[in-house]
Amino acid sequence: AQKVTQAQTEISVVEKEDVTLDCVYETRDTTYYLFWYKQPPSGELVFLIRRNSFDEQNEISGRYSWNFQKSTSSFNFTITASQVVDSAVYFCALSDPGEGGKLIFGQGTELSVKP
Amino acid sequence: DTEVTQTPKHLVMGMTNKKSLKCEQHMGHRAMYWYKQKAKKPPELMFVYSYEKLSINESVPSRFSPECPNSSLLNLHLHALQPEDSALYLCASSQDGIRQGTDTQYFGPGTRLTVL
Repeated sequence: AQKVTQAQTEISVVEKEDVTLDCVYETRDTTYYLFWYKQPPSGELVFLIRRNSFDEQNEISGRYSWNFQKSTSSFNFTITASQVVDSAVYFCALSDPGEGGKLIFGQGTELSVKP
Repeated sequence: DTEVTQTPKHLVMGMTNKKSLKCEQHMGHRAMYWYKQKAKKPPELMFVYSYEKLSINESVPSRFSPECPNSSLLNLHLHALQPEDSALYLCASSQDGIRQGTDTQYFGPGTRLTVL
């Protein structure tokens, strides 16, 4: 069975601190896709990144970076120099092409960045 | 442009009412989705449309009735809902109507539904 675990329910940091959000996934498939979404209080799920199972390169986008490690089935997300606008719920998700597009979401991590 | 729009933003309805939620995308995407999200929980898939045909129904009660009039529009018709159906309803779309699991799903802002 496929599963995504985000063990951190809530994280609180002070502005300018670095913070890492953990994501561990389970799947038997060799081909799969991993995603991170941000959900601010307004409710919209904002797409951040998509990574396929064959691409283990880490990625950096501005203050955001992602560390994908198949050996530990993890896809962690780091925000460098956090800002108040980063406050949101962050979801990690797994997609199996054989499942018709169904996204398996983790429970989400609520990040609070205080000034 | 990766915009998915949803109307209305908020909806309050009684248990005997009939209402509809609307979703629209103009990205040429061929797969569209309805999700339900309760507070403090991740989104739960309800329906998937691929090339305007229903491809997945996640055992959703019949009081929720989806409709895909064309490739850009997705409706969710609501009838005889229960208070426990109060939630945020999210629409999403992705490019490929066949290999949905490979594509990014882009979400709309959602409709916050309250059933009294």
